[in-house]
Amino acid sequence: DGGITQSPKYLFRKEGQNVTLSCEQNLNHDAMYWYRQDPGQGLRLIYYSQIVNDFQKGDIAEGYSVSREKKESFPLTVTSAQKNPTAFYLCASSTPDRAYEQYFGPGTRLTVT
Amino acid sequence: GQSLEQPSEVTAVEGAIVQINCTYQTSGFYGLSWYQQHDGGAPTFLSYNALDGLEETGRFSSFLSRSDSYGYLLLQELQMKDSASYFCAVQVYQLIWGAGTKLIIKP
Repeated sequence: DGGITQSPKYLFRKEGQNVTLSCEQNLNHDAMYWYRQDPGQGLRLIYYSQIVNDFQKGDIAEGYSVSREKKESFPLTVTSAQKNPTAFYLCASSTPDRAYEQYFGPGTRLTVT
Repeated sequence: GQSLEQPSEVTAVEGAIVQINCTYQTSGFYGLSWYQQHDGGAPTFLSYNALDGLEETGRFSSFLSRSDSYGYLLLQELQMKDSASYFCAVQVYQLIWGAGTKLIIKP
């Protein structure tokens, strides 16, 4: 079965620590995305990548970093520079010509105290 | 800039029909998508309108009118499992998302 996996589902960190969220897909999609969702709000784009070794900032990239060394993997690092890191993080993928139809992983709920 | 507006909450009765509206302000876009998200879950794609008019997928239909900057999602024969949040999203280059509409279904 093809899909997207994110791990872990819940993550707890102390303020000032960097943390990396995993995202892996076996859908053979070229495009991958990271979103942040806060309670009662829509999704906000953090970073996206259309191809291996290339990625672009989304609307709220400050305090985050990504890498795309393999087609299947798009990890997100939440750095200590991110002011309000506690949120639900969603990874998605799509084919480049169907960016309107994105497939999502189950999400990682990050709590920073 | 771009912005989308949706009602924050809609209540309907099981078996009925409900319409969730989405109005947008954007200088240009490719199309309008709709997604469903159950509490604590991931969004799942429902439909996409590239052109004006109605797109039907089973019990769900979606409509777009570019001249009115307006779209809606129509859910028919509501079931309790349809209780979820529904998001519209315009495809500019990437998706710009609305804040979502929580659909509450009563027996």
